Amino acid sequence: DADVTQTPRNRITKTGKRIMLECSQTKGHDRMYWYRQDPGLGLRLIYYSFDVKDINKGEISDGYSVSRQAQAKFSLSLESAIPNQTALYFCATSDRQSTDTQYFGPGTRLTVL
Amino acid sequence: GQQVMQIPQYQHVQEGEDFTTYCNSSTTLSNIQWYKQRPGGHPVFLIQLVKSGEVKKQKRLTFQFGEAKKNSSLHITATQTTDVGTYFCAFSGSARQLTFGSGTQLTVLP
Repeated sequence: DADVTQTPRNRITKTGKRIMLECSQTKGHDRMYWYRQDPGLGLRLIYYSFDVKDINKGEISDGYSVSRQAQAKFSLSLESAIPNQTALYFCATSDRQSTDTQYFGPGTRLTVL
Repeated sequence: GQQVMQIPQYQHVQEGEDFTTYCNSSTTLSNIQWYKQRPGGHPVFLIQLVKSGEVKKQKRLTFQFGEAKKNSSLHITATQTTDVGTYFCAFSGSARQLTFGSGTQLTVLP
């Protein structure tokens, strides 16, 4: 959905570099999520946030950190990137009033050399 | 934690043939959602099933939730090239986040 944007869309970096992926949404949703997608493994949850002051670890949070700067913004950081963090990263949002339906951004393809 | 197994991982069909993907859980699910991801795209919500034995249809797509709420299926009748993509099931856990299956990648041969 165009209401959920991610920057950058593609990034190539080197091992040990700090990387930040950003997500913004205009849907007015309070809940935001970060997933990573690897071939054959589906989507795995990294972190999620139910509001600005509520941040939770997901299934694979090691090596990642997040910041919820505002209701509309949720950023994902890799403090020291490593090659096995090469993946497609998706941000998603949902509304607490809905049935957990998630709306995904276009994704960021990250390559760590 | 709870997980779902999705099969098959890959499916190639001739255009016009039917296609089915299955999601199976060892535990009872509160609900099941289905998403479609086109090649190079992002997952897009298709439908949610909540009730035991529920069946919902969207044109050529039929979604079912098992009586025991431990399995679900997505069936596409007479596939078209526009059906190409990866289909994911997902369910809500107690912490209100989604857990996704590994997906079924559908290729439709013209």
